[in-house]
Amino acid sequence: KAGVTQTPRYLIKTRGQQVTLSCSPISGHRSVSWYQQTPGQGLQFLFEYFSETQRNKGNFPGRFSGRQFSNSRSEMNVSTLELGDSALYLCASRIAGGADTQYFGPGTRLTVL
Amino acid sequence: QQQVKQSPQSLIVQKGGISIINCAYENTAFDYFPWYQQFPGKGPALLIAIRPDVSEKKEGRFTISFNKSAKQFSLHIMDSQPGDSATYFCAASRNGGYQKVTFGTGTKLQVIP
Repeated sequence: KAGVTQTPRYLIKTRGQQVTLSCSPISGHRSVSWYQQTPGQGLQFLFEYFSETQRNKGNFPGRFSGRQFSNSRSEMNVSTLELGDSALYLCASRIAGGADTQYFGPGTRLTVL
Repeated sequence: QQQVKQSPQSLIVQKGGISIINCAYENTAFDYFPWYQQFPGKGPALLIAIRPDVSEKKEGRFTISFNKSAKQFSLHIMDSQPGDSATYFCAASRNGGYQKVTFGTGTKLQVIP
């Protein structure tokens, strides 16, 4: 079974731009979560989607948004990029919610100049 | 109350030695405690996980010890190898619904020959 895939793997943007990241979960997994990983803050939860609905949300500003499609693929969007948004953005999938094991993708490295 | 505190931040162990990483949590509703291993350029990968109905779980050279009364759990890596050099994250979550997974801040382990 293929793992979680994320595209693109690397991205360079400038302040004020917007960006869209994509995540394809493991086949059969219906829940997708997004995390931001930085050296200073570690892994911070952004949001989780299941059945095209946001089920949980972390403490991030409204510039961070996401959506999930009927095939469980998910996209994350960051608008009006700031320098502090530079991070590794990780997507994780699991079969459903609750305490199911999460499987992470390789991440998208976003650099904001 | 959602925090998971992890220590140490970094750890250097000689090959063949025991690596010990500790985590403490506050929320007594947490009932699933996974450990993730992350290599540079990769997403975190599930290493081993425990639920609070057992005090210890062993998988190969990796052991989780769980102390429910102290609200602490730890990862022991026996016979540490240079290939174990990675960043390790503890995490905690609640069963049921779409409770987010809370991660510790990570421990960078270096195993020297």
